[in-house]
Amino acid sequence: KAGVTQTPRYLIKTRGQQVTLSCSPISGHRSVSWYQQTPGQGLQFLFEYFSETQRNKGNFPGRFSGRQFSNSRSEMNVSTLELGDSALYLCASSPIIAEAGKFFGPGTRLTVL
Amino acid sequence: AQKVTQAQTEISVVEKEDVTLDCVYETRDTTYYLFWYKQPPSGELVFLIRRNSFDEQNEISGRYSWNFQKSTSSFNFTITASQVVDSAVYFCALSESTNFGNEKLTFGTGTRLTIIP
Repeated sequence: KAGVTQTPRYLIKTRGQQVTLSCSPISGHRSVSWYQQTPGQGLQFLFEYFSETQRNKGNFPGRFSGRQFSNSRSEMNVSTLELGDSALYLCASSPIIAEAGKFFGPGTRLTVL
Repeated sequence: AQKVTQAQTEISVVEKEDVTLDCVYETRDTTYYLFWYKQPPSGELVFLIRRNSFDEQNEISGRYSWNFQKSTSSFNFTITASQVVDSAVYFCALSESTNFGNEKLTFGTGTRLTIIP
């Protein structure tokens, strides 16, 4: 079974631009969540989607948004990029079985210049 | 509010030694889940284990073992006979929600483990 895939793997943007990151969960997984990893703040929860609905949101400004499609694929968008948005963005998917863990993708490394 | 503390920032051991990574958590819920993840240099978080708060049995998986002690709010991870491939950053995480589709992980700051050949 293929794992969680994220595209693109690397991205360089300039301040003020916007960016869209994509995540394809493991086949059959319906929950997708996003995390930001930075050296200073560590791993922080952004949001989680299940059945196309946002179920939970972390403490990030409104510039960070996301959505989930009917095939469970998810996108996250960051508008008006700031230097501090440079980070590794990780997507995780969960199966419907409650006892299984969250499985992460390789991440998208975003650099804001 | 939930919190996960991994006091060990970096650990180095010689290959074949045993090593224990500490994890202490704080939560007000009686029902929660604890996780361990491994992050090799490639960056991907590799799932190692998920344990619910009602199951205090220790778990062993090959060279890996986990010691969950509710009385001390700890969920420690031991690698036996360490190997160079075990070099990575290890994260402990806590989830309080038990509703599927509404589960937020709170991560510790991670422990960088280096195995010296």
